[in-house]
Amino acid sequence: SYELTQPPSVSVSPGQTASITCSGDKLGDKYACWYQQKPGQSPVLVIYQDSKRPSGIPERFSGSNSGNTATLTISGTQAMDEADYYCQAWDSRHVVFGGGTKLTVL
Amino acid sequence: QVTLRESGPALVKPTQTLTLTCTFSGFSLSTSGMCVSWIRQPPGKALEWLALIDWDDDKYYSTSLKTRLTISKDTSKNQVVLTMTNMDPVDTATYYCARMDYGDYPQEGYFDYWGQGTLVTVSS
Repeated sequence: SYELTQPPSVSVSPGQTASITCSGDKLGDKYACWYQQKPGQSPVLVIYQDSKRPSGIPERFSGSNSGNTATLTISGTQAMDEADYYCQAWDSRHVVFGGGTKLTVL
Repeated sequence: QVTLRESGPALVKPTQTLTLTCTFSGFSLSTSGMCVSWIRQPPGKALEWLALIDWDDDKYYSTSLKTRLTISKDTSKNQVVLTMTNMDPVDTATYYCARMDYGDYPQEGYFDYWGQGTLVTVSS
């Protein structure tokens, strides 16, 4: 079955750029999206179709997808961005989530 | 305004069947491209996709759980129901329902609205 691999954790200083990767076989041939989940809350869509940003999501969130890797980039990271982030894609008739990355802002 | 709300038992015993209902508003599951899915998250762990049903009553299931899952919809009631048989303590998780509007192709889809989730504990 198809797998998406994320680093378990990423750390970033406030104001710096955070990059979270998601790897899968030929992931660039699929659409990737990203969800943010804060403790005790439901996931929130932050990037869809590789690089599109839903209404209400700050411009500091951006995405890219090429080859085997999709990347979520947060520019000028703020303390409020500390959360778990999950990538997601489709493979055949299945939805697949990555294992999640805990972003720490310190 | 799109909303989804999960309902079902908070506690089930091992070997029992779990039935969860997702009641939604603000969209119609008879609209082309519209879907509702179930996703779960064990405490402290990652999201796991379970099943999805689309506007055309096409159903998609997790390979690993397919034999235990059934998803169905009642368009007139704006509800999607998930049943999971033979529950085990490892199935303890928060269960979410979420909406997907995939447009023309499922592979373009993403979950744009989520319910608040319901915690299901499996214990004797």
